[in-house]
Amino acid sequence: IAGITQAPTSQILAAGRRMTLRCTQDMRHNAMYWYRQDLGLGLRLIHYSNTAGTTGKGEVPDGYSVSRANTDDFPLTLASAVPSQTSVYFCASSDRFLDEQFFGPGTRLTVL
Amino acid sequence: AQSVTQPDIHITVSEGASLELRCNYSYGATPYLFWYVQSPGQGLQLLLKYFSGDTLVQGIKGFEAEFKRSQSSFNLRKPSVHWSDAAEYFCAVGARGGADGLTFGKGTHLIIQP
Repeated sequence: IAGITQAPTSQILAAGRRMTLRCTQDMRHNAMYWYRQDLGLGLRLIHYSNTAGTTGKGEVPDGYSVSRANTDDFPLTLASAVPSQTSVYFCASSDRFLDEQFFGPGTRLTVL
Repeated sequence: AQSVTQPDIHITVSEGASLELRCNYSYGATPYLFWYVQSPGQGLQLLLKYFSGDTLVQGIKGFEAEFKRSQSSFNLRKPSVHWSDAAEYFCAVGARGGADGLTFGKGTHLIIQP
C-alpha cells in the first residue's frame, strides 16, 4: 500500500543519547516535512525539504537535523536528546511544496 | 509570518446536529488553507483545501468550508454529524510561494453526544 512509513512506532530514550527517526515514502513526492505534535500546541514544523538534496528550517528546528539524500527518505536526527523533545513526531510528504500533505502514523518519543 | 487561530479547544455536539468549527488566519495575501482531521492515535487526514476560485469548498466525509477574505476565516461545517466524526480537527495555512511550510492551529477536539 502506497504511503508513508515511520520507524520506530515508539521509543523511550535517555537524555543525551542520539536518535534518528526514520521516514520513507513511496509516492515519489518531491517535498517532505517533519512536525512535532504537543498537547495544546498543535503541530509545529521542524524541518522540510522541497526536493532531494535540499532542506530548510521550520518553526522549531533547534536540536534537530535532517538530510534528504534521495526522494524517498527523510530521516530526522536528535544529536543529543533532551526531555523537552518528548513528543509525537509526524513525517509528511506532498507532490509539490504546499500541496496536500500526506502524513505518516507518527513516532511517539519519550526522553527521560 | 502566517498564523492560525482555532478559538474553540473543545466542542460538544449531539449526533445528527449541525457542526461549525471556527478558523481564523493571519496572512498578508490570499493563503492556501486546509482542514485536517486526526482520529485518536492516528496521523492526519486531509478533509479539504482552498487554493483559489469558488470560496465554498467541498471535502470528504460530507464536510465543507467557506473562505471569507473579509473575515480572514475558513470555517468548517457539516450539516449532520455522526459519532465517527469525533476527532481532533486542525486548520492550517500556507503562504503562496513561500518557504515556511504549513502553519497549523492548535486544534479543536470534537465530542459527539449520543
